[in-house]
Amino acid sequence: QVQLQESGPGLVKPSGTLSLTCTVSGASISSSYWWSWVRQPPGKGLEWIGEIFRSGSTNYNPSLKSRVTISIDTSKNQFSLKLNSVTAADTAIYYCVRDRAHDYWGQGTLVTVSS
Amino acid sequence: DIVMTQSPDSLAVSLGERATINCKSSQTVLDSLNKDYVAWYQQKPGQPPKLLIYWASTRESGVPDRFSGSGSGTDFILTISSLQAEDVAVYYCHQYYSIPWTFGQGTKVEIK
Repeated sequence: QVQLQESGPGLVKPSGTLSLTCTVSGASISSSYWWSWVRQPPGKGLEWIGEIFRSGSTNYNPSLKSRVTISIDTSKNQFSLKLNSVTAADTAIYYCVRDRAHDYWGQGTLVTVSS
Repeated sequence: DIVMTQSPDSLAVSLGERATINCKSSQTVLDSLNKDYVAWYQQKPGQPPKLLIYWASTRESGVPDRFSGSGSGTDFILTISSLQAEDVAVYYCHQYYSIPWTFGQGTKVEIK
């Protein structure tokens, strides 16, 4: 059974860097899937942040591209998100997701940007 | 960016009745191999979205057959043929045809 689990700080200061890791179990991150991050501000809709392939190739949402880095560690079966220069507008539940038709989702982790 | 617009924003349907959600894309999401790059998700409070339908009409494994997807090109529909109490949720359409992948704003389904 494929499972994804997000981990990382739940509170980040404004202008700081949000860092999250997604640990994948039940599937190899080296398989032929793209692995994405999606976020959802509390009570609002879904926004795709970006994706990474096993090769390290990435695609980002242009609205966030200047602030986002997604990386992959195949030895740990993990991929990670870094979002810098955060503001309150980046407060959201962050999900890691498998595939472009997002078939498996992590439970999500709430990240609050506040001083 | 491709904009996905859902209608209605919310609907209330009696148990056992049909619920229909529309999703319109701002440009085609149909490729040359005749595949529509649209998925539908169900999200219940406090849970992540759950994939229901992909390629516009292919039901994900384990999803009840009362859920069906249809449409092509720019117009898509999610139908719940006989609404059950456990179907109360927000439903999202999603296009994965052109980066950035985008979602509809969501449709809240309630029991009348």
